[in-house]
Amino acid sequence: GESVGLHLPTLSVQEGDNSIINCAYSNSASDYFIWYKQESGKGPQFIIDIRSNMDKRQGQRVTVLLNKTVKHLSLQIAATQPGDSAVYFCAENHAGGTSYGKLTFGQGTILTVHP
Amino acid sequence: DAGVTQSPTHLIKTRGQQVTLRCSPKSGHDTVSWYQQALGQGPQFIFQYYEEEERQRGNFPDRFSGHQFPNYSSELNVNALLLGDSALYLCASSSGQVLGTQYFGPGTRLLVL
Repeated sequence: GESVGLHLPTLSVQEGDNSIINCAYSNSASDYFIWYKQESGKGPQFIIDIRSNMDKRQGQRVTVLLNKTVKHLSLQIAATQPGDSAVYFCAENHAGGTSYGKLTFGQGTILTVHP
Repeated sequence: DAGVTQSPTHLIKTRGQQVTLRCSPKSGHDTVSWYQQALGQGPQFIFQYYEEEERQRGNFPDRFSGHQFPNYSSELNVNALLLGDSALYLCASSSGQVLGTQYFGPGTRLLVL
């Protein structure tokens, strides 16, 4: 079945370092990938997305890389700040078949940024 | 511009009871999706509503039902509550396009005793 998973459940970094969060997905038909940040007691917050016809997309301090050959997605956060501490989820969607509209989430990675 | 809103924020019920959760989508959005998030897990898709109809459904029993109103707001109903239904219930809104970005509300924390 479809699944989106993360290699590392936790990541600890020092303030100012760059962070890399990884995600593997199993559905080669996936068209669209999203990274969400979830702080304690809150709903997931959209960070950045990327479509399958791209391999890189940049936002403010964040970059998402997509490698369709190995079905791998990563989120890079530059100059990580304590306010970046949260759980990060990758999610996958695709337009075809019977799954359009449905986001499939991974388990999540806990990012802790130490001052 | 208000984002996605949900009510109530917290709810305590007992086994066998029924619950209704509410969601108002972000301004300009016409599609509402519901997710269940157990503690320490990623959200699990329940179903999605568009044009007042259920467009897509995840692997949840018929005890979970929903509705979308003409103003695009939505309700999630859960009947015959089980202890395992305790979770954070998230609503996400998006535009009608199939791969529209989904924006989440703060969620409703449901505890079933």
